[in-house]
Amino acid sequence: SQQGEEDPQALSIQEGENATMNCSYKTSINNLQWYRQNSGRGLVHLILIRSNEREKHSGRLRVTLDTSKKSSSLLITASRAADTASYFCATDAPWETSGSRLTFGEGTQLTVNP
Amino acid sequence: AAGVIQSPRHLIKEKRETATLKCYPIPRHDTVYWYQQGPGQDPQFLISFYEKMQSDKGSIPDRFSAQQFSDYHSELNMSSLELGDSALYFCASSLAAGVYTGELFFGEGSRLTVL
Repeated sequence: SQQGEEDPQALSIQEGENATMNCSYKTSINNLQWYRQNSGRGLVHLILIRSNEREKHSGRLRVTLDTSKKSSSLLITASRAADTASYFCATDAPWETSGSRLTFGEGTQLTVNP
Repeated sequence: AAGVIQSPRHLIKEKRETATLKCYPIPRHDTVYWYQQGPGQDPQFLISFYEKMQSDKGSIPDRFSAQQFSDYHSELNMSSLELGDSALYFCASSLAAGVYTGELFFGEGSRLTVL
């Protein structure tokens, strides 16, 4: 089963609206990251939140982390058509070893209509 | 700024053939990761290398092998290809910051089609 499961699987909104995506995970983490992927392209890092942080902002992005519920949310405010992409959360391995994996969730396909 | 370079970008192989994918990480990055992404799927971790040593291993078939060379570039070798191996293969690199996995920088991927 996936370490990270995302909700919703697909989201369609109008330009200017806010988009919220949720991610749940199963094991303990050191940090959680969000990535964006345009169709058929490489993933691009958006934001990293550490396990001792509850909220983090970067431009129009706001990420929250609730380690007690093993969940995170990504909020994109004032969405633009260019935000159309798949968004993945990724968690690091609970063991502490350099070069260990990031495990990706199933992703949310966001469509922002002009 | 230099990015992660993957080659080839596209390749088509027949069943039972062999394929080799190459990855050139961002200069001074010491960690390389390989991921496989099927259509509509999330990226699945295959293997990673830290300072040229294998650091983590995921769901990589025995038919696949990988290594990181002295110049830090990495190669993923896939033998006895099967139809199910058709996917996007991503390489990512990072600069290790202690024992926690930080930001990964992804290449544009190599699209493998097995006929």
